Amino acid sequence: QVQLVESGGGLVKPGGSLRLSCAVSGFTFSDYDMSWIRQAPGKGLEWVSYISSSGSFMNHADSVKGRITISRDNAKNSLDLQMNSLRAEDTAVYYCARGGSTWSSLDYWGQGTLVTVSS
Amino acid sequence: QSVLTQPPSASGTPGQRVTFSCSGSNSNIGSNYVSWFQQLPGTAPKLLIYRNNQRPSGVPDRFSGSKSGTSASLAISGLRSEDEADYHCAAWDDSLSGQVFGGGTKLTVL
Repeated sequence: QVQLVESGGGLVKPGGSLRLSCAVSGFTFSDYDMSWIRQAPGKGLEWVSYISSSGSFMNHADSVKGRITISRDNAKNSLDLQMNSLRAEDTAVYYCARGGSTWSSLDYWGQGTLVTVSS
Repeated sequence: QSVLTQPPSASGTPGQRVTFSCSGSNSNIGSNYVSWFQQLPGTAPKLLIYRNNQRPSGVPDRFSGSKSGTSASLAISGLRSEDEADYHCAAWDDSLSGQVFGGGTKLTVL
């Protein structure tokens, strides 16, 4: 069955860095676009980043552009999110999800990993 | 502030039919498919409706979606206590080249 498992979350100081990973199984990873979505405590969902199946196209929300970068390794079935210059407002549960383009819905989600940015 | 607009709360009694609204613009709902997600307390979102009105395998037909212009709606018929959850709408936005979400509607089953 399709599984997505995030890791790498934790407590980091403002200005610090963190790298999140998402390990996938149960489907042909290289056939699917992927996305990262986050949810601040008590808030709604916010799209963070998107990457095409080949990795040739990616995009990020304006709120994280220049600080956060999405990448993937199709040989390792892995999706990453490199987060730099972290701010308090980046505190959230970060979910990886399959899909997320105009034609592919976010059909499977991981359980999420919590990132807390605090001094 | 979310790009798509959803009422923050809704309620109903068991057996009742409830509907949720989601309002957007021409760059998102008006020109792209809408998805709906159910998020039970303390869990990850789960896809409930995709491509405006399609249900993934395993989702009961009590759940239905529709879209008209720049608005979409989700309906739950035969409400059950286990339907108590947050419901989020989403769509691709052509201007932002990314997904946009509503703020979510919290459903209380009385």
